[in-house]
Amino acid sequence: RKEVEQDPGPFNVPEGATVAFNCTYSNSASQSFFWYRQDCRKEPKLLMSVYSSGNEDGRFTAQLNRASQYISLLIRDSKLSDSATYLCVVNKHRGSTLGRLYFGRGTQLTVWP
Amino acid sequence: DVKVTQSSRYLVKRTGEKVFLECVQDMDHENMFWYRQDPGLGLRLIYFSYDVKMKEKGDIPEGYSVSREKKERFSLILESASTNQTSMYLCASSLWSSSGSSYYEQYFGPGTRLTVT
Repeated sequence: RKEVEQDPGPFNVPEGATVAFNCTYSNSASQSFFWYRQDCRKEPKLLMSVYSSGNEDGRFTAQLNRASQYISLLIRDSKLSDSATYLCVVNKHRGSTLGRLYFGRGTQLTVWP
Repeated sequence: DVKVTQSSRYLVKRTGEKVFLECVQDMDHENMFWYRQDPGLGLRLIYFSYDVKMKEKGDIPEGYSVSREKKERFSLILESASTNQTSMYLCASSLWSSSGSSYYEQYFGPGTRLTVT
């Protein structure tokens, strides 16, 4: 079973729409959670961390449910520039593997005018 | 500004050739990583290193080796390139957390698209 599972999409939404991505992780010992963004033909970059209490950064809201081992990302008022692949990422702290990240396969989002 | 550079953006090699992919970071990061990314499979970790001369296997190390002689440089070596190693290769680096309680963001290079014919 993969460490991180997410719906690959694609999600195609109009500008202004609200869209939500979900992700599950398999290891209950996982400590840290993130969303990375990858634009077409570019490298991944950190979008935001995900905290237990949920957190918001402008139009982006991330939620974590440790009991269900579930992470979500909500994008409100979608912009054309939000078109990208969103990667769900998990970090486990364990000895020498500190710093290693486990990436989901990514969810592709296209926002159309 | 944080910077991870990779030696080539595009590379074409023949089957059986020995291939070197170089990655350099200028942030004094302890951790360095090599991934490959393929459509439908996402990012898969090949090898990583948390210190000079230290290395650990990731999920798909077969057919690859690595070298880290200096802190800023992490090399990926394909000993005998095969067509199934055609892929996008991404290098990343991050700080080391000895306490285990902190996470440090991974910074990626622009990637090397390798084609093996």
